[in-house]
Amino acid sequence: EAQVTQNPRYLITVTGKKLTVTCSQNMNHEYMSWYRQDPGLGLRQIYYSMNVEVTDKGDVPEGYKVSRKEKRNFPLILESPSPNQTSLYFCASSGGPATNEKLFFGSGTQLSVL
Amino acid sequence: AQSVTQLGSHVSVSEGALVLLRCNYSSSVPPYLFWYVQYPNQGLQLLLKYTSAATLVKGINGFEAEFKKSETSFHLTKPSAHMSDAAEYFCAVSEGNNDMRFGAGTRLTVKP
Repeated sequence: EAQVTQNPRYLITVTGKKLTVTCSQNMNHEYMSWYRQDPGLGLRQIYYSMNVEVTDKGDVPEGYKVSRKEKRNFPLILESPSPNQTSLYFCASSGGPATNEKLFFGSGTQLSVL
Repeated sequence: AQSVTQLGSHVSVSEGALVLLRCNYSSSVPPYLFWYVQYPNQGLQLLLKYTSAATLVKGINGFEAEFKKSETSFHLTKPSAHMSDAAEYFCAVSEGNNDMRFGAGTRLTVKP
């Protein structure tokens, strides 16, 4: 089954404790992206990747890091989480540029930073 | 940069009634437009997309949207709402630069 898998589904942590949210897709997609969803703001792009070793900033990259060492994986790293990073995070992938290709989304990671 | 505005953060309709969710966009070039749906505790799923082939776009689950350049709108409609349509709906716009912008979302409630 074609899917984007995010882990964990829920995460509670404390300020400053490094964490990683994993994202993996099994569709051999080149394009992958991370979004955060906040009430009243919709989805905002954090980082995206056009292919292996190619990443770029989205609208809200501050406080986040990503890596794309292999095609299927695109982890999101918070080196020193802060309470304003409490949010619902989604990973997405598509077979081509996000221009006109359908995005496949993971089920989301609800992060709470205390 | 492109942007999208969804009018109404909450819309409530009765089962069997017309669904109309409004979306207006801003773009400096001919845009690509999308509607996504998010069911509770799930990621977003594509409902339909406009890529200049036809102004009236039909999607899944009986939804359709019409691109109106003169009004910079891409409203989503469905003739008859079902209980299963209750979800959050997001309009999105892209200018072809890998920068897709999402609206704030509209939560649709369907009353029995």
